Amino acid sequence: GDSVTQMEGPVTLSEEAFLTINCTYTATGYPSLFWYVQYPGEGLQLLLKATKADDKGSNKGFEATYRKETTSFHLEKGSVQVSDSAVYFCALSDLNTGNQFYFGTGTSLTVIP
Amino acid sequence: SQTIHQWPATLVQPVGSPLSLECTVEGTSNPNLYWYRQAAGRGLQLLFYSVGIGQISSEVPQNLSASRPQDRQFILSSKKLLLSDSGFYLCAWSRGGAGQNGYTFGSGTRLTVV
Repeated sequence: GDSVTQMEGPVTLSEEAFLTINCTYTATGYPSLFWYVQYPGEGLQLLLKATKADDKGSNKGFEATYRKETTSFHLEKGSVQVSDSAVYFCALSDLNTGNQFYFGTGTSLTVIP
Repeated sequence: SQTIHQWPATLVQPVGSPLSLECTVEGTSNPNLYWYRQAAGRGLQLLFYSVGIGQISSEVPQNLSASRPQDRQFILSSKKLLLSDSGFYLCAWSRGGAGQNGYTFGSGTRLTVV
């Protein structure tokens, strides 16, 4: 069945460091891929998405490229800020499974000044 | 534009007491609605989803229940809370499944059962 695997956290970085959070997926069809962010005490917000292979989603300095050949959707940011401290969830939806949504387990990021 | 409202934001309830959490969506019709739970330090667990009024699918057997009395209203209930019901409850909506737009989440309810 479909699934999403995220790198385990927590991740702690210094301000202005480079961020990569790995996400790989398993899907029977051609899924759409998403990154959500959850700031402390809040709900989840859509950060970026990509709906087909080689698409690059970007928002707020974050980027992720839909790599079909490696079944990956890694999240990257060149220079993190303290305000980026949050939990990040990778997710997919697959038309072949009735557009169900599959979430990764989340990766907690803490950025220290 | 569409908005989703969830309340209360925080709730402290004694063991054995009832629960009612409410979620409403504005600006759309016939949304798919979802209840998720996030236990402390853990991922998201889908509890219930609904594709229409009165239609509820349960993903996890437990002492919680859900109802959809109106098109854009989704309620999570319990007759008697357990300590293990503590967590962060999130409501979400989508148009016809996650598709290419994913889900839109409410701001969540922090439930502490004491």
